[in-house]
Amino acid sequence: DQQVKQNSPSLSVQEGRISILNCDYTNSMFDYFLWYKKYPAEGPTFLISISSIKDKNEDGRFTVFLNKSAKHLSLHIVPSQPGDSAVYFCAASDRFGGGTSYGKLTFGQGTILTVHP
Amino acid sequence: DTGVSQDPRHKITKRGQNVTFRCDPISEHNRLYWYRQTLGQGPEFLTYFQNEAQLEKSRLLSDRFSAERPKGSFSTLEIQRTEQGDSAMYLCASSWGGGAGYTFGSGTRLTVV
Repeated sequence: DQQVKQNSPSLSVQEGRISILNCDYTNSMFDYFLWYKKYPAEGPTFLISISSIKDKNEDGRFTVFLNKSAKHLSLHIVPSQPGDSAVYFCAASDRFGGGTSYGKLTFGQGTILTVHP
Repeated sequence: DTGVSQDPRHKITKRGQNVTFRCDPISEHNRLYWYRQTLGQGPEFLTYFQNEAQLEKSRLLSDRFSAERPKGSFSTLEIQRTEQGDSAMYLCASSWGGGAGYTFGSGTRLTVV
């Protein structure tokens, strides 16, 4: 049962353009969402997060949008840079609202982003 | 502090052998997590500790798997009687409370032959 799905295995974008990575979830109890970036031979690195009480969170070139009714979130990278080329994972937690931190995360399968110079 | 450290980086073992991995979290972090990642998939949760207490274990963690975190510092993950299906990247992460994403180590890649 894949509760978090990233349906696009890969995305190719030109440098300077916008990259949009999508993620869908099925568990309505998820209340906190995160995006991670992973380079080969390294562990995932935290990028940005959003709680379910918000619909947008921005950090520099990265913006995450959450549509709770559609159970969909997206990560926008503007402008895209060649150094952004990596695997991007979305992740979700159903524990955040308990006020005791989010503990276990459920990850999607990842999307390989390639930014061409 | 240089982040979350995992040892070894790579491990090749014969089917049926026991293996043990070590994770050293960021020193001030009270939570430690173990995940497993196979090719083409995202990390899958195995277990996590708050200090020395193991708070949750996934159904993925069969009887052959055991994790410990003595004294709330480093952690070990042991796999007994390894099977070819255990071949994966084993990731450790740590955090202090919540709110921000946790910090992952570079992982231990296990190959069972």
